[in-house]
Amino acid sequence: DAGVIQSPRHEVTEMGQEVTLRCKPISGHDYLFWYRQTMMRGLELLIYFNNNVPIDDSGMPEDRFSAKMPNASFSTLKIQPSEPRDSAVYFCASRAGGDPSGNTIYFGEGSWLTVV
Amino acid sequence: EDQVTQSPEALRLQEGESSSLNCSYTVSGLRGLFWYRQDPGKGPEFLFTLYSAGEEKEKERLKATLTKKESFLHITAPKPEDSATYLCAVQATNYGQNFVFGPGTRLSVLP
Repeated sequence: DAGVIQSPRHEVTEMGQEVTLRCKPISGHDYLFWYRQTMMRGLELLIYFNNNVPIDDSGMPEDRFSAKMPNASFSTLKIQPSEPRDSAVYFCASRAGGDPSGNTIYFGEGSWLTVV
Repeated sequence: EDQVTQSPEALRLQEGESSSLNCSYTVSGLRGLFWYRQDPGKGPEFLFTLYSAGEEKEKERLKATLTKKESFLHITAPKPEDSATYLCAVQATNYGQNFVFGPGTRLSVLP
């Protein structure tokens, strides 16, 4: 199993530019999560999908952030326009549905975003 | 207000010096408590899931326990390779499918 795959691993962009982060969840997982990690706020949920449908986007900070999941094996998180305060590590994670034993969330390696 | 806290914020141990990390939570309807390890530049790596008070899980030098208000991660005779940030997370009835993470404990094990 290849695990959750994210790209790019590192991105440096100028303020005002569009940023697109990509994620391939673990095959067969029904849930996909986007988290953001900063020193100040720790790990916080931005949005999650179930069977490709967005379920809870209450953590998306502003309209500048959007996420899509066009199919079971791909999701994007887009920031447009980007701002320096968006600098953080963005993690994609997935988990299987079903009974409690499948509750574990598995994380990708993260996309390190720096907006200058 | 629901919250998840961890203590200490940072811990420095000598190799072989056993200790415990604490995760305290105030949530209603706990569905699971999870421990993760995060190495610098990496994503969190799953360690344990605990579902009910009194439950214990072990893996190598790590042992996780759960009460109704807190969880402990006991580290026995740690080695330098155990150095990492340890995160706990809770899943509760009010959170849907979300996990709420604590701020983490940064563990350093010196040779």
